[in-house]
Amino acid sequence: EAEVAQSPRYKITEKSQAVAFWCDPISGHATLYWYRQILGQGPELLVQFQDESVVDDSQLPKDRFSAERLKGVDSTLKIQPAELGDSAMYLCASSFTGYGGLGYTFGSGTRLTVV
Amino acid sequence: GQQVMQIPQYQHVQEGEDFTTYCNSSTTLSNIQWYKQRPGGHPVFLIQLVKSGEVKKQKRLTFQFGEAKKNSSLHITATQTTDVGTYFCAGPIVSNSGYALNFGKGTSLLVTP
Repeated sequence: EAEVAQSPRYKITEKSQAVAFWCDPISGHATLYWYRQILGQGPELLVQFQDESVVDDSQLPKDRFSAERLKGVDSTLKIQPAELGDSAMYLCASSFTGYGGLGYTFGSGTRLTVV
Repeated sequence: GQQVMQIPQYQHVQEGEDFTTYCNSSTTLSNIQWYKQRPGGHPVFLIQLVKSGEVKKQKRLTFQFGEAKKNSSLHITATQTTDVGTYFCAGPIVSNSGYALNFGKGTSLLVTP
């Protein structure tokens, strides 16, 4: 069964350092999403891509977060500088259509701890 | 903006008991999706409901979409320990720029053997 690949699985970083997360969606899925999930909460959308274009980044804290999907395939989410409040699970998801009618497929996520 | 609320936040049942979680939206939804997240895992898509009053079944799971398309429920009959996890409903956020899912906070189910 096709999977969304994410790495690293876990990341511990010090406050004010830079971190980056990588995601490779299911082949053929044009739409890619980055979500942040704080423990005990539901996933919250950070950014949505359609192919290589950003469709929605209204919830992305752009002073410290950036995301790119240069060739419309894999994607990178960066935080610089990291803050204690950024500790969370960062989930990447992809869908076949922009309307997610067949559901999202999530990756295993990157668990970020900022110390 | 659109909010999706779920109740209860937690539910602890004995194996064999039934379980229901409810989802309410502040706005009418074009569709609603349900996901399950096992402890330490990631959300996994269960189902999408589109039509008003729609009812769908997956083995012991029954999903319902309200007539007004503002609420939904997930009912599990005769729970098993494999049902443990957090169940999320999600409604679409539609803007001029795109479509994405807005997740509720989830209902965490614990099943005791």
